[in-house]
Amino acid sequence: SQQGEEDPQALSIQEGENATMNCSYKTSINNLQWYRQNSGRGLVHLILIRSNEREKHSGRLRVTLDTSKKSSSLLITASRAADTASYFCATTSNSGNTPLVFGKGTRLSVIA
Amino acid sequence: KAGVTQTPRYLIKTRGQQVTLSCSPISGHRSVSWYQQTPGQGLQFLFEYFSETQRNKGNFPGRFSGRQFSNSRSEMNVSTLELGDSALYLCASSSQGPSYNEQFFGPGTRLTVL
Repeated sequence: SQQGEEDPQALSIQEGENATMNCSYKTSINNLQWYRQNSGRGLVHLILIRSNEREKHSGRLRVTLDTSKKSSSLLITASRAADTASYFCATTSNSGNTPLVFGKGTRLSVIA
Repeated sequence: KAGVTQTPRYLIKTRGQQVTLSCSPISGHRSVSWYQQTPGQGLQFLFEYFSETQRNKGNFPGRFSGRQFSNSRSEMNVSTLELGDSALYLCASSSQGPSYNEQFFGPGTRLTVL
């Protein structure tokens, strides 16, 4: 069963705008990871944020984590057509070595 | 470093047959995880192997099995295929496992069951 729930399910923006995707989860986590998938291909890792971290940056990506609200957000700034993809959050629980549990993803379309 | 490779990339089988999928992790990675992706259920965890031992298993029937070899290459097998097994099967590798570090995914094997 899915742990994370992404919101919105789909997002369409113009090139140059910022895109924000949210992820909520249910149980205590060890870490939360964001991945991108282009058209049914393999997933590409974007950022990993640990439960004791609140914010991380990587290039045009900014991820925040609020463990009190059990939520995370992914911000893509100055979006490009090449950012068009599905974005997934995934969590590992804090009870030992556990697998990634994925949400259903947000489908982002960036229009040139 | 070469990325994660999966073979075959596409496969068409009929109901009742069995299939074996292969995954070669990034050199030096000891953890290999398998996921099934379908439009209805999304990405679901199948199993994880670490140093030839199954470390975690998802909620799939016993028709789904896997193994890992001493060179960390992994295979998964699905016996008695059903229509609902049609999916993209993804494997991912990492040095220590998803609880510790990022996962590197292969391109997937698209299985169609007729």
